[in-house]
Amino acid sequence: DGGITQSPKYLFRKEGQNVTLSCEQNLNHDAMYWYRQDPGQGLRLIYYSQIVNDFQKGDIAEGYSVSREKKESFPLTVTSAQKNPTAFYLCASSGQGRWNGYTFGSGTRLTVV
Amino acid sequence: KQEVTQIPAALSVPEGENLVLNCSFTDSAIYNLQWFRQDPGKGLTSLLLIQSSQREQTSGRLNASLDKSSGRSTLYIAASQPGDSATYLCAVYRNDYKLSFGAGTTVTVRA
Repeated sequence: DGGITQSPKYLFRKEGQNVTLSCEQNLNHDAMYWYRQDPGQGLRLIYYSQIVNDFQKGDIAEGYSVSREKKESFPLTVTSAQKNPTAFYLCASSGQGRWNGYTFGSGTRLTVV
Repeated sequence: KQEVTQIPAALSVPEGENLVLNCSFTDSAIYNLQWFRQDPGKGLTSLLLIQSSQREQTSGRLNASLDKSSGRSTLYIAASQPGDSATYLCAVYRNDYKLSFGAGTTVTVRA
């Protein structure tokens, strides 16, 4: 079945450490997105990519970095510069055209220890 | 900036009652609107996608309406069941194809 796979499901980060969250899709979608979800708030866009080797900052990109070397993969690195990284991270993808909906992965819960 | 509001934040109903979930947005120049369901600790599952030229979409017990002029969408769930207990999120497509999300309505259906 086509879908989006996020790993790991749970991730623990020590202070000052960089961690990378994986996102892989087999939907042949061009666009991919990373969102952050905090309790009581709507999802907020971190980074997005509409094509391989190109990506743009979203609304809360500070302290995060991404790469898009393959169409299927869009990893997110949470750097030590992100002061409050504890959150639920969701990866999504969509096909071209405004009439295509978004498909989301199952998420990664990151906790600072 | 597009602001999306979902009221109420939480809702509890007895099994069998119809559910009405509201979503309002500030900028009527939207493209699509998508309703999602999220179970605790899980990702988002798409329920319905309404294109800007449509006024409603239906899937089984679910019906979503869209009124761009008033900046509102409503999700109706008929004959609610305990399995409908979840958080329901509304997302509006901005003119750059990115989504603006509401904070969600958490629904509890009591058996």
